[in-house]
Amino acid sequence: AQSVTQLGSHVSVSEGALVLLRCNYSSSVPPYLFWYVQYPNQGLQLLLKYTTGATLVKGINGFEAEFKKSETSFHLTKPSAHMSDAAEYFCAVGTGTASKLTFGTGTRLQVTL
Amino acid sequence: EPEVTQTPSHQVTQMGQEVILRCVPISNHLYFYWYRQILGQKVEFLVSFYNNEISEKSEIFDDQFSVERPDGSNFTLKIRSTKLEDSAMYFCASSEREGTYGYTFGSGTRLTVV
Repeated sequence: AQSVTQLGSHVSVSEGALVLLRCNYSSSVPPYLFWYVQYPNQGLQLLLKYTTGATLVKGINGFEAEFKKSETSFHLTKPSAHMSDAAEYFCAVGTGTASKLTFGTGTRLQVTL
Repeated sequence: EPEVTQTPSHQVTQMGQEVILRCVPISNHLYFYWYRQILGQKVEFLVSFYNNEISEKSEIFDDQFSVERPDGSNFTLKIRSTKLEDSAMYFCASSEREGTYGYTFGSGTRLTVV
């Protein structure tokens, strides 16, 4: 069984500040890890994913995440927040064989001036 | 870039009515999925479909739900007798191979049951 825990349902940062959204996972097999972004009333857009190989993954819009197996974490970061980053962010875990993605409960990112 | 297309984007239906949500997966993808997101909650897996049969389903996917690939391009989710609690955003996804490596989600259908 797999699970995802996203710490902090709401995160507020100032424009230009570091964004850090936390995700911890549980998986009995090597995980595939994903971050999705959802803007209001829109669908799920893939930001980045980790499957195998390099543990630091770069995604779209300046986001990156690092897979840390020892900490079972896959935190999402962006060095400098922009107003357009305000959205809901979902971490998800899957595997290379099973077909199901398990999502976390999401973190709403607010960016203030 | 290839897309998963869902229609309609928003559907309103009366409680007890049947509703069919439609999806056109990416053409060379073989695995198909439906997910649900109740407003303000997390995205939940409903069902996966491969080779014209269900490969996995969640406890949410009860007898009121069914899926079908009626032709070579469409993938549908049917809810036989809608309840108020079926109101949600429904996402279709497809992938080329087994596993979650190459998932592509559609933009969703917002279903409102009144």
